[in-house]
Amino acid sequence: TQLLEQSPQFLSIQEGENLTVYCNSSSVFSSLQWYRQEPGEGPVLLVTVVTGGEVKKLKRLTFQFGDARKDSSLHITAAQPGDTGLYLCAGESPTGGFKTIFGAGTRLFVKA
Amino acid sequence: ETGVTQTPRHLVMGMTNKKSLKCEQHLGHNAMYWYKQSAKKPLELMFVYNFKEQTENNSVPSRFSPECPNSSHLFLHLHTLQPEDSALYLCASTPMEGVGSPLHFGNGTRLTVT
Repeated sequence: TQLLEQSPQFLSIQEGENLTVYCNSSSVFSSLQWYRQEPGEGPVLLVTVVTGGEVKKLKRLTFQFGDARKDSSLHITAAQPGDTGLYLCAGESPTGGFKTIFGAGTRLFVKA
Repeated sequence: ETGVTQTPRHLVMGMTNKKSLKCEQHLGHNAMYWYKQSAKKPLELMFVYNFKEQTENNSVPSRFSPECPNSSHLFLHLHTLQPEDSALYLCASTPMEGVGSPLHFGNGTRLTVT
């Protein structure tokens, strides 16, 4: 059982469509991070959410942290081919030790 | 340019070979990490070094041997690997090991064990 469950695992959409991907856990996290990994590259941090209920916007991307700090969502408006990649959520392990743990990711493909 | 450079980008090795992966960071960070990324699985933390001292060995088989000669360089020495060790190996760094520090990743070494 993964501590961070991401859904869907794979998403293929047309350019211009909206989408939401989810990161869920039964554990409380002090913060969650979202990374995007493009083919042939390492993950790059998009945002960190810290406060329960927090909403952060990054251009067409909207990130939300659940009130109970157990889940997060990423909404993309008017997706573009450049949004194609693997979206990973991550957080400090609830078991402590300063370890960052990751979900398995949502692979997004945006068709032109 | 990510500030974290990994070499080689691709490596094919037989099960009896010995090879090393190299990571160098130019960010002035003091903590460095090795992660393993396999298809459809979460990134797996392998090793953590904080100020050159190993602080985490996440039950990694002894055929993987890390080395951190200074805060800027990290190596992963490989020997007698198995085909299931084929994966993308990612190096990352943070200012120091601790809560909330975002990871700065290199672009990885794609390892294939034949």
